[in-house]
Amino acid sequence: GDSVTQMEGPVTLSEEAFLTINCTYTATGYPSLFWYVQYPGEGLQLLLKATKADDKGSNKGFEATYRKETTSFHLEKGSVQVSDSAVYFCALSFIIQGAQKLVFGQGTRLTINP
Amino acid sequence: DTGVSQNPRHKITKRGQNVTFRCDPISEHNRLYWYRQTLGQGPEFLTYFQNEAQLEKSRLLSDRFSAERPKGSFSTLEIQRTEQGDSAMYLCASSSTGTLPNEKLFFGSGTQLSVL
Repeated sequence: GDSVTQMEGPVTLSEEAFLTINCTYTATGYPSLFWYVQYPGEGLQLLLKATKADDKGSNKGFEATYRKETTSFHLEKGSVQVSDSAVYFCALSFIIQGAQKLVFGQGTRLTINP
Repeated sequence: DTGVSQNPRHKITKRGQNVTFRCDPISEHNRLYWYRQTLGQGPEFLTYFQNEAQLEKSRLLSDRFSAERPKGSFSTLEIQRTEQGDSAMYLCASSSTGTLPNEKLFFGSGTQLSVL
């Protein structure tokens, strides 16, 4: 079945460090790919997305490129801030019965130290 | 836009009891989703409504689980005869009719269920 595998956490970095969180997927077709973020005490929020191969999603300094050849969607940010501390989820989606069904990875907890 | 609201935030119950959670989606959002998230894992899809119609159910949704969305507004998720394995965060999300896959889901903060 469809699945998403993320880099295991927790990940701890210093402020202004470069961030990469790896994400690979298994799917029978060509899903859309997403990164969601969950800040402490808050609901999941969409961070960025890409709907087809070679698309690059970007938001708040974060980027991820849909790589069909490597079935990957790695999240990167050039210079992290303390406020980026959160849990990050990679996800894919398919359309079923007129709905967008999301399949999530297990999440990666990121802590940024000042 | 007040966001997706879920109540209660926390629920502690004894094994065998019934529990009910409520989700109030963003006003006029016609799509509503329920997901379940266990500790250290990502959310898993449970079920989906378009207006009042329940169109898709996961195999995770055993016959002890029932979800409703009367009148296509708020939704309830009931678990009968709770088991310890039901302990999880139950998440609700909503979206408005839009071009898939450009639909944007808005998630609530969830209801944390603990079954003792």
